[in-house]
Amino acid sequence: KQEVTQIPAALSVPEGENLVLNCSFTDSAIYNLQWFRQDPGKGLTSLLLIQSSQREQTSGRLNASLDKSSGRSTLYIAASQPGDSATYLCAVFFGNEKLTFGTGTRLTIIP
Amino acid sequence: EAQVTQNPRYLITVTGKKLTVTCSQNMNHEYMSWYRQDPGLGLRQIYYSMNVEVTDKGDVPEGYKVSRKEKRNFPLILESPSPNQTSLYFCASSPNSGLASNTEAFFGQGTRLTVV
Repeated sequence: KQEVTQIPAALSVPEGENLVLNCSFTDSAIYNLQWFRQDPGKGLTSLLLIQSSQREQTSGRLNASLDKSSGRSTLYIAASQPGDSATYLCAVFFGNEKLTFGTGTRLTIIP
Repeated sequence: EAQVTQNPRYLITVTGKKLTVTCSQNMNHEYMSWYRQDPGLGLRQIYYSMNVEVTDKGDVPEGYKVSRKEKRNFPLILESPSPNQTSLYFCASSPNSGLASNTEAFFGQGTRLTVV
């Protein structure tokens, strides 16, 4: 069964620190992986899309990596800010007409 | 502005009363889908559509219907809502079904449905 796992479910970090969020998936034959941000009561905002042929993508303070052979992706956030507080979701497209989501990591940046 | 628009954003209804949640995208995307989000279960796909008049079941289709008469619209229909359909619903679209690996998915703002 194709599954996506995000651990931990919640993370609190002091402002200014760099941090890493983890995503693991069970099938290395993926098409792409996408990281989203979800604010309470709001929709999903796409942060980064990594194609299967890529190893990383960067956008501002965010860097996402992909290691298909080990079934892992990380989202690195540099110099964290209180505005980064949100739930971060990892979603994998396994080629079966849907995104398979992890249950997310709820990130709190402590001022 | 490129976007996926869902309406309504919030809805409280009673068991058995038919309702429709609308979804519209202005990006000329071929692929659209519906997800529901429940605590501890993440987002699960309900239905998807690869193009006009082409729809198929996702992981949790029971109790739902969809239609795709136009490319931009993909309404979600609950013919007889039940309390277990209380959830947060998201509509999504992407240029195609993802066979091209650079397909990014865009999501609406969500519809919080409560069935009492």
